[in-house]
Amino acid sequence: EPEVTQTPSHQVTQMGQEVILRCVPISNHLYFYWYRQILGQKVEFLVSFYNNEISEKSEIFDDQFSVERPDGSNFTLKIRSTKLEDSAMYFCASRASRGSPDGYTFGSGTRLTVV
Amino acid sequence: AQSVTQLGSHVSVSEGALVLLRCNYSSSVPPYLFWYVQYPNQGLQLLLKYTSAATLVKGINGFEAEFKKSETSFHLTKPSAHMSDAAEYFCAVSLTGGGNKLTFGTGTQLKVEL
Repeated sequence: EPEVTQTPSHQVTQMGQEVILRCVPISNHLYFYWYRQILGQKVEFLVSFYNNEISEKSEIFDDQFSVERPDGSNFTLKIRSTKLEDSAMYFCASRASRGSPDGYTFGSGTRLTVV
Repeated sequence: AQSVTQLGSHVSVSEGALVLLRCNYSSSVPPYLFWYVQYPNQGLQLLLKYTSAATLVKGINGFEAEFKKSETSFHLTKPSAHMSDAAEYFCAVSLTGGGNKLTFGTGTQLKVEL
C-alpha cells in the first residue's frame, strides 16, 4: 500500500537553529499538508499546499515557517529560527484530490525537540 | 468553519466489553468525518471515514461509526474490546468544499483492562 515517508524520525536542534523536515508524499497525490502535535495535545493544522503554492495556512504558520516542493517528489517544512515551543511531532499528509473520499494519508511523523 | 468535540479524554473498558467513543461536530456545510487511531510513538492511522454515502461506516479492526445528522454526531463503536485496541483515538472533520483541511478533536485515550 502506498505510504507517505517522513525523515528524519527524530531531530534535536538548538534554539535559534534552522531545521528542515522532509516528506515524500504518495506519488499521484496532488494536495499536501503539514500538521503538528505538541506532546499531550491535539493535532493542529499548519499549512496546505497545491499546485506549487500555499492554499491555506493557520495562525501557527508564521513567517518563521515555509514549505517547498523543490523537485516534484519531496515536500519540505522549514523552520528558520526554532523556538522551544516548536518542539512537537510534525506530520506530513497527502491527498489525491480536494474532495477525495479516500481521505488523507499521514506519514509516521518527525519528532522535533528544540533545546 | 468546522470543529469537533470529543467527550471524554479518557475511556476505560474491560476486555470484551463494548467500546463507545463520542464525537460531535459542527460544520457550516455537509462534512466529511474521520476517525484516526494513534498508537504510542506512532503516526495517525485511518480507522474509517464518512463521505456522504452510507451513514453506517465500517472500518478496520472491527470498528464502526454512524453519522447522525440530526444529532451532529459520529460516535465510534466496537462490540468487543481487545487489549490491542488501547490507543488514542481522534475524530476529525473536513469540509467537502473550501479548504479541505482536517480539524481534529482533542482525542480520547482508550484503556482496555483485563
